[in-house]
Amino acid sequence: QKEVEQDPGPLSVPEGAIVSLNCTYSNSAFQYFMWYRQYSRKGPELLMYTYSSGNKEDGRFTAQVDKSSKYISLFIRDSQPSDSATYLCAMSLNSNSGYALNFGKGTSLLVTP
Amino acid sequence: GAGVSQSPSNKVTEKGKDVELRCDPISGHTALYWYRQSLGQGLEFLIYFQGNSAPDKSGLPSDRFSAERTGGSVSTLTIQRTQQEDSAVYLCASSPGTGGGYTFGSGTRLTVV
Repeated sequence: QKEVEQDPGPLSVPEGAIVSLNCTYSNSAFQYFMWYRQYSRKGPELLMYTYSSGNKEDGRFTAQVDKSSKYISLFIRDSQPSDSATYLCAMSLNSNSGYALNFGKGTSLLVTP
Repeated sequence: GAGVSQSPSNKVTEKGKDVELRCDPISGHTALYWYRQSLGQGLEFLIYFQGNSAPDKSGLPSDRFSAERTGGSVSTLTIQRTQQEDSAVYLCASSPGTGGGYTFGSGTRLTVV
């Protein structure tokens, strides 16, 4: 079983919709939880990161971490066509590999005008 | 520089040839990571450098892969005797060394023919 599971989609929503993206994980030792956005032929871009359980909001984006359920979410409000991309969840802990990230496989999102 | 710079952006090589991929991290970032992104596999950790310390090579898939980091800054990933299964996007990332996520370059797309 892969340590981080993420539904690959694709997920298609109309402009203005609320988008919910989710990941589950198996390693309870993970400390940092991140969401990256990746456009085609570009590197991943850090959107949000959180440490420990709870919510974090940044503009139209809200990240939630539930460590008891080993479940993280990213919500996008008032989605825009420019939000169309692949969203990757990632998590890490401090180890011999520094803070090497364990990624989900990414969810492909399409926001239609 | 302003971001993580990788070169070349694309590389096509013949099976059996050696290739070198370069990463120029953000100035002052002590931690540097290499990842590989291939279809169906997602992002896989390869190697981690912290400053001038010996790297953690635990993610390297075979002894054909090696990497070095000169002066705690620029890094080179070398793949010897390339195979078709080495075809992927190779991504470099750097961070200040804390757990709050890091910045990726745009990657080198390697195609082995």
